[in-house]
Amino acid sequence: TQLLEQSPQFLSIQEGENLTVYCNSSSVFSSLQWYRQEPGEGPVLLVTVVTGGEVKKLKRLTFQFGDARKDSSLHITAAQPGDTGLYLCAGVSGSEKLVFGKGTKLTVNP
Amino acid sequence: GAGVSQSPSNKVTEKGKDVELRCDPISGHTALYWYRQRLGQGLEFLIYFQGNSAPDKSGLPSDRFSAERTGESVSTLTIQRTQQEDSAVYLCASSLVRPLNTGELFFGEGSRLTVL
Repeated sequence: TQLLEQSPQFLSIQEGENLTVYCNSSSVFSSLQWYRQEPGEGPVLLVTVVTGGEVKKLKRLTFQFGDARKDSSLHITAAQPGDTGLYLCAGVSGSEKLVFGKGTKLTVNP
Repeated sequence: GAGVSQSPSNKVTEKGKDVELRCDPISGHTALYWYRQRLGQGLEFLIYFQGNSAPDKSGLPSDRFSAERTGESVSTLTIQRTQQEDSAVYLCASSLVRPLNTGELFFGEGSRLTVL
């Protein structure tokens, strides 16, 4: 069973602060994706990382894939209330199915 | 349609009743997934369809759960003899390419099931 552990489970910060959330596994993944989900909606893809050590930036969001392709991190600089949501990592390993972590619920207070 | 469509958006049922949830994927998407999301939790994989291949049913929690898909079109998820622990949002997603090729999943808004 491929498990993705996300931490922290909950995070509440003030606008303007920086934060990092983590996605860890004992399994190697051929690719890893990050999704954001807002209440009442389905998750929406933010980024896909495929190469060990890869770093991708999306405006104030920086995503990193671990060298061994077992873990990933998401760093948000100068968080804004619009960043509030559930951040989910998802990975593809040997099987075809995309496995999700339990998510980090982020609240950014004005 | 433009996106993944799920119906009903909300379903309240009594314990022991059967329910059917429907998913219309994006036209041309060969891969279709069903996930379950309990309140405040992440996504729990249920079943995966890819083209005409045999579905991956490894996530179905019990034999009360079943799903069908006709070709590359509509899918239905059926829950028989519903229990209170089946209460959750059931999300459907479709993808144009296989996940191993880093395909993006496009999700519907989900069907919220409440079992009284």
